Amino acid sequence: AQSVTQPDIHITVSEGASLELRCNYSYGATPYLFWYVQSPGQGLQLLLKYFSGDTLVQGIKGFEAEFKRSQSSFNLRKPSVHWSDAAEYFCAVGANSNYQLIWGAGTKLIIKP
Amino acid sequence: EAQVTQNPRYLITVTGKKLTVTCSQNMNHEYMSWYRQDPGLGLRQIYYSMNVEVTDKGDVPEGYKVSRKEKRNFPLILESPSPNQTSLYFCASRSGGAAYEQYFGPGTRLTVT
Repeated sequence: AQSVTQPDIHITVSEGASLELRCNYSYGATPYLFWYVQSPGQGLQLLLKYFSGDTLVQGIKGFEAEFKRSQSSFNLRKPSVHWSDAAEYFCAVGANSNYQLIWGAGTKLIIKP
Repeated sequence: EAQVTQNPRYLITVTGKKLTVTCSQNMNHEYMSWYRQDPGLGLRQIYYSMNVEVTDKGDVPEGYKVSRKEKRNFPLILESPSPNQTSLYFCASRSGGAAYEQYFGPGTRLTVT
């Protein structure tokens, strides 16, 4: 069955420290991969996406993600987090053959001062 | 400004009282969808529409109805709300298939007592 797993429900990181949020997927087709961010009280906003080509993709707000086909992973990274990065992050997978996206359960990022 | 709007943002109602949550987008997008977000479950799709007069069930359609009479509007109807429909609802739109960015509304917090 197709699925997206975000193993960490919560992650706490000190301000200025590096961040990695994990995303693993199980998907038969060649996937399109997305990371969205939901700030408190807001809708979701696209951070970055991967379709093909360079497996390291850059997004907004200083985030990047790396697609590793052999590990079925698409982990999100940021070298130095800011307090404004506190939010919930969602990984999603889709394919052009199917209009639907499959969503992970989300990871809530907490920033320690 | 390109946006997806939802109304109301907050709604408290009683079991069995019909309600409608409106959704409108100004980007001429063909694809629109409704999600509900519950803690630990991420986003679950309720219904989606690939164009005017074309709607289809998502993962959790029971207890909901939708219509797509105009391209810009995609209302969500709860004919007889129940407490298990208490949730945060998001409307989203995009211009094409799964490869395209989804734009989300700000969310509607619904409480059914």
